[in-house]
Amino acid sequence: AQKVTQAQTEISVVEKEDVTLDCVYETRDTTYYLFWYKQPPSGELVFLIRRNSFDEQNEISGRYSWNFQKSTSSFNFTITASQVVDSAVYFCALSEALNAGNNRKLIWGLGTSLAVNP
Amino acid sequence: EAGVVQSPRYKIIEKKQPVAFWCNPISGHNTLYWYLQNLGQGPELLIRYENEEAVDDSQLPKDRFSAERLKGVDSTLKIQPAELGDSAVYLCASSLGVAGHTGELFFGEGSRLTVL
Repeated sequence: AQKVTQAQTEISVVEKEDVTLDCVYETRDTTYYLFWYKQPPSGELVFLIRRNSFDEQNEISGRYSWNFQKSTSSFNFTITASQVVDSAVYFCALSEALNAGNNRKLIWGLGTSLAVNP
Repeated sequence: EAGVVQSPRYKIIEKKQPVAFWCNPISGHNTLYWYLQNLGQGPELLIRYENEEAVDDSQLPKDRFSAERLKGVDSTLKIQPAELGDSAVYLCASSLGVAGHTGELFFGEGSRLTVL
């Protein structure tokens, strides 16, 4: 079963629209980390945010905001007033421990391709 | 501060030929990762180094893939011989500390391999 699900494969919006990218995860770990990365056409993955499982506080950074809800196992990402430069593939990822040690793996979703049109 | 540097950016080879990719991580980053990314997919971990030690190579196809990180700084990923299915982008990333996948990863721009 897929552990990180990004149900939206592609989203297309017009500039200045708000857009929410969904991420649903599955884990049995009590301590885990969730990430969002952005991959623009240049190909370099860029870190956006990390959340640990004990911190459900939502976060806002400029036009970006994240809504973490353990009750629904979701970690959604909203871009307010989208801009053309926001066009990229966005990946949600889950870091969970495989065993009692610290050998964590990062499990990636398939990504959501966002196109912001002028 | 310089980011993660990878070379070459693009490589086209015939199948059965060898190929090597090089990565220089951010200075001071103990942990280095090699990922493979196919089109339309998320990255898949091939190997993770903590300093010069390969601590997770469970996903590395060891019959044809090899990697090294001598002196715990830059790293080389080699494929010999390459197969058609190896066509992908090979991403290198580094992170501070040795916890592995608990903090921010810094990625290079990747090396795009095409096997003909």
